[in-house]
Amino acid sequence: EPEVTQTPSHQVTQMGQEVILRCVPISNHLYFYWYRQILGQKVEFLVSFYNNEISEKSEIFDDQFSVERPDGSNFTLKIRSTKLEDSAMYFCASSERAPEQYFGPGTRLTVT
Amino acid sequence: AQSVTQLDSQVPVFEEAPVELRCNYSSSVSVYLFWYVQYPNQGLQLLLKYLSGSTLVKGINGFEAEFNKSQTSFHLRKPSVHISDTAEYFCAVSPPQAGTALIFGKGTTLSVSS
Repeated sequence: EPEVTQTPSHQVTQMGQEVILRCVPISNHLYFYWYRQILGQKVEFLVSFYNNEISEKSEIFDDQFSVERPDGSNFTLKIRSTKLEDSAMYFCASSERAPEQYFGPGTRLTVT
Repeated sequence: AQSVTQLDSQVPVFEEAPVELRCNYSSSVSVYLFWYVQYPNQGLQLLLKYLSGSTLVKGINGFEAEFNKSQTSFHLRKPSVHISDTAEYFCAVSPPQAGTALIFGKGTTLSVSS
């Protein structure tokens, strides 16, 4: 069964550094998303992406964040200058035209 | 705007007992409703969904949920749980369009013991 994959599974970075989280969505899906889950808190929406542009973003998704689909398979989330409060589990998801979203296993980002 | 309230943060049960995880939502428009499960150190897996039609929906692993529009609820049930059902369960809503954000509740930790 096709699945969403994410790399790396765990990323440790120093405050102020740039990080890129990578995702490979399910191949025939058209919509792509990033969510985050700070430890002990709810899963929060960051951004959705369709037809090579952002279709929706939350208040969390400020100028420090950007997304890109650099080729036909990858979908990336970049955080330009990480802060301690960016430490979280980041989930990528994808969907076809249907509303249900399929999630990857997540990348745990630790900012020190 | 939509919001989701999961009324129980933790639900401990014994193996083979029935369980109900409660979810209430708030929305000024019609919504789609979902339950996701997160096993330890894993991602979110779709358990079941309500889009339209029959208010009782069946999902994977023997779970089912009932949509109640008047009470704005979407409670998850299983008649007999197993140890392997121990996980975090998230209720989520979205507007009835593809490509829109899922709004999640805070989650309910189901702990099944023998």
